[in-house]
Amino acid sequence: GQNIDQPTEMTATEGAIVQINCTYQTSGFNGLFWYQQHAGEAPTFLSYNVLDGLEEKGRFSSFLSRSKGYSYLLLKELQMKDSASYLCAVKQGFQKLVFGTGTRLLVSP
Amino acid sequence: NAGVTQTPKFRILKIGQSMTLQCTQDMNHNYMYWYRQDPGMGLKLIYYSVGAGITDKGEVPNGYNVSRSTTEDFPLRLELAAPSQTSVYFCASSYETGTQETQYFGPGTRLLVL
Repeated sequence: GQNIDQPTEMTATEGAIVQINCTYQTSGFNGLFWYQQHAGEAPTFLSYNVLDGLEEKGRFSSFLSRSKGYSYLLLKELQMKDSASYLCAVKQGFQKLVFGTGTRLLVSP
Repeated sequence: NAGVTQTPKFRILKIGQSMTLQCTQDMNHNYMYWYRQDPGMGLKLIYYSVGAGITDKGEVPNGYNVSRSTTEDFPLRLELAAPSQTSVYFCASSYETGTQETQYFGPGTRLLVL
């Protein structure tokens, strides 16, 4: 079976740093995605980790520990436009993706 | 490049009607996917394809069918619409090179079944 857990909601202040965690229990793990989704819009790709460690892309970084079944998305220098849902998705086997329910992030001034 | 395009943007169906949701990508990606997203929920994989002529079931395939006759197109067919199929449908495509993979989503089709 598969199980992906993320916090339902988080709040943070403009300019701050926030870490969104994702834990998973799944068979045939073959990579982990993070997506950003603004209300009423399609998900936008942020990152893909298949090896352990930290991947940095500008203000966004993503970390993976396969032995712990754990990933996080780190957002630095938060901006109001970062208010969105952040979806964690695990790739099982060749191409199947299983999504978590997402974390709603609210950035306040 | 237009990326991933979907039509229609919005549709209302009556119970028992059928329709096809269209999806086209112009990036020459081998992998394509159909997801549905219910309000406040994550995405659930309906069907996916790893290349022309090859499709496979995802997590929630019942009530849907797909075909992949070309690399570009991946239509999703609903044969007998039911209220439980009211959702937002996203098509996506991706490519993979070594340890890098990037997925691109279409803008979505909002379907209401009454």
